[in-house]
Amino acid sequence: DAMVIQNPRYQVTQFGKPVTLSCSQTLNHNVMYWYQQKSSQAPKLLFHYYDKDFNNEADTPDNFQSRRPNTSFCFLDIRSPGLGDAAMYLCATRQPRSRNEQFFGPGTRLTVL
Amino acid sequence: EDQVTQSPEALRLQEGESSSLNCSYTVSGLRGLFWYRQDPGKGPEFLFTLYSAGEEKEKERLKATLTKKESFLHITAPKPEDSATYLCAVHPSGNTPLVFGKGTRLSVIA
Repeated sequence: DAMVIQNPRYQVTQFGKPVTLSCSQTLNHNVMYWYQQKSSQAPKLLFHYYDKDFNNEADTPDNFQSRRPNTSFCFLDIRSPGLGDAAMYLCATRQPRSRNEQFFGPGTRLTVL
Repeated sequence: EDQVTQSPEALRLQEGESSSLNCSYTVSGLRGLFWYRQDPGKGPEFLFTLYSAGEEKEKERLKATLTKKESFLHITAPKPEDSATYLCAVHPSGNTPLVFGKGTRLSVIA
C-alpha cells in the first residue's frame, strides 16, 4: 500500500546531542511537510517542500534544519535539542494543484533527556 | 488572520449517545476543510474533505457537514473504538499551508 513511513518511531536523545528523523513516501507526492506536535496542541508546521523548493516557516527555530535529497525522502535535523523540543514530529505529503488532503505518517516521538 | 477553533476541547459520551463536534473557522477564501482522527501516539488519519457550504460526507457512524463559518462532525451511536482526538483543518486560498484546530478529545464509555 502507498504510504508515509517515519523512522524511528521513538527517539531518545540527550540535551544538545544532534538527532535526525527520517520520512519516506511511496505516494510520489511533490509536497512534503514537517510538523511538530506537543501534547494536546495542534500540529505546528516547521517546513514544507514543493518539489525541491524549501519553505521555512517564519517562527521555526534555526536549530531545526531539513533536507530532501529526492522525491521520496525527507529528513529533519535538530542540531542541538533542548528540553522544549521534546514532541511528536509528523511528516505529511500532498499532491499539489489539487484540493486533496495531506497524508500523515505515524510520527516520531522525540524524548530529550 | 486565518483561524480555526474547535469545541468542546473534550467530550465524554456513553456508548450509543450521539453528539456533535464543532469546528469554527475564519479564513481568507476556503479551498477545503479537512477532518482527521488522531489516536494517542499516532499520526492523524484522514477522514473527510469538504469543499463548499452545504456539502455533507458520511463514513460509518460519522457525518461531516459544512457551512460558510463552521463544520460539524456528527457521531451517531458512538462506540468505545471511536475514542480519539478529532482534528479540523482548513486550507486557505493561495499558497498557504493548512491551519489546524487544537482538536476535540472524545472518550466513549461502554
